Amino acid sequence: AQSVTQPDIHITVSEGASLELRCNYSYGATPYLFWYVQSPGQGLQLLLKYFSGDTLVQGIKGFEAEFKRSQSSFNLRKPSVHWSDAAEYFCAVSNTGGFKTIFGAGTRLFVKA
Amino acid sequence: DAGITQSPRYKITETGRQVTLMCHQTWSHSYMFWYRQDLGHGLRLIYYSAAADITDKGEVPDGYVVSRSKTENFPLTLESATRSQTSVYFCASKVGVGQGVVEQFFGPGTRLTVL
Repeated sequence: AQSVTQPDIHITVSEGASLELRCNYSYGATPYLFWYVQSPGQGLQLLLKYFSGDTLVQGIKGFEAEFKRSQSSFNLRKPSVHWSDAAEYFCAVSNTGGFKTIFGAGTRLFVKA
Repeated sequence: DAGITQSPRYKITETGRQVTLMCHQTWSHSYMFWYRQDLGHGLRLIYYSAAADITDKGEVPDGYVVSRSKTENFPLTLESATRSQTSVYFCASKVGVGQGVVEQFFGPGTRLTVL
């Protein structure tokens, strides 16, 4: 069955520290992979996506993610976290057409001064 | 304003009442989606539509009805609301189907409480 697992329900990092959010997926075919960010009271905004090519993907706001097929992972990273990065982050996998997207349960990021 | 809008943003209703959540997009995107967001579950797909008059069930369609008579509108109706339908509902749209054309654009959400 297709699924997305985000092992960490919440993570707290200090401002300026590095960040890695984990995502593992189970998908039968070549997946389309995404990271979305949701600020409080807002809809979801796409941070980055991967469907082919270079396995290290650059996104907006200084985020990047690396696709590792052997580990079925698509972890999100940022070298230096800002207080404004505090939000909930969702990993998602989609079929080729992009009309059946499965979301992980989300990881809430807290940033401490 | 251009984009995708949802109304109302907040709604409180009672068990057994009919409720309709509205979604409107100005991009003429072919695909539109309804999700519900519950703690611990992320977003789950309720229904989606590939074009006007074409709709299909998602992961959790029971208790919901959709229609799409116009490309820009995709209302979601709870015919007889239940407490288990208390949730935040997100509408999303996507331009079409094709290589790389997979990004969905989300509305701001509707917080629905069923008492």
